[in-house]
Amino acid sequence: QKEVEQDPGPLSVPEGAIVSLNCTYSNSAFQYFMWYRQYSRKGPELLMYTYSSGNKEDGRFTAQVDKSSKYISLFIRDSQPSDSATYLCAMDPGNTPLVFGKGTRLSVIA
Amino acid sequence: DAGITQSPRYKITETGRQVTLMCHQTWSHSYMFWYRQDLGHGLRLIYYSAAADITDKGEVPDGYVVSRSKTENFPLTLESATRSQTSVYFCASTLDTFSFYGYTFGSGTRLTVV
Repeated sequence: QKEVEQDPGPLSVPEGAIVSLNCTYSNSAFQYFMWYRQYSRKGPELLMYTYSSGNKEDGRFTAQVDKSSKYISLFIRDSQPSDSATYLCAMDPGNTPLVFGKGTRLSVIA
Repeated sequence: DAGITQSPRYKITETGRQVTLMCHQTWSHSYMFWYRQDLGHGLRLIYYSAAADITDKGEVPDGYVVSRSKTENFPLTLESATRSQTSVYFCASTLDTFSFYGYTFGSGTRLTVV
């Protein structure tokens, strides 16, 4: 079992929909949780990070962490075609490199 | 130019040849990383470096060599390229093991081994 599991999709939604992206993990040592966005033929870029359980909001994006269930989510409200990208979750065990999920490919259709 | 730069952007090479991918960052970040990204596998860590002259293996190091004589440069060498090394390679950097700014990635090198 991989340390981080993420459904690769693809996920296709109409413009304006609420999108939910999720990752599960098995390592209790993970302390920091991040979401990266990767546009086609580009490198990943940090979208949001959270520490510990709870919610963090940034504009149309909300990151949620449930450490008791080892489950993290990224919600996108009022999705736009410009949100079409691959979204990767990443987790930091503290003193070794980040562990990435495989990414979920999202398409928002106008 | 400020940032992290990878070169070349595209490379086609023949099986058995040696090829070096370059990575240069201008922030003096301590940590640098090399990943490969393949369909179905996501990002896989090849090697990383905590500082000049300090390197460590990642998940898939076989067939690759790295060096870091200067903080700003972290070249990745494929000693004898194989078709299985056809991939998109990303270099990344960060200030510390964990940075609130996360990793900053380059734009990638698309390598094809024929």
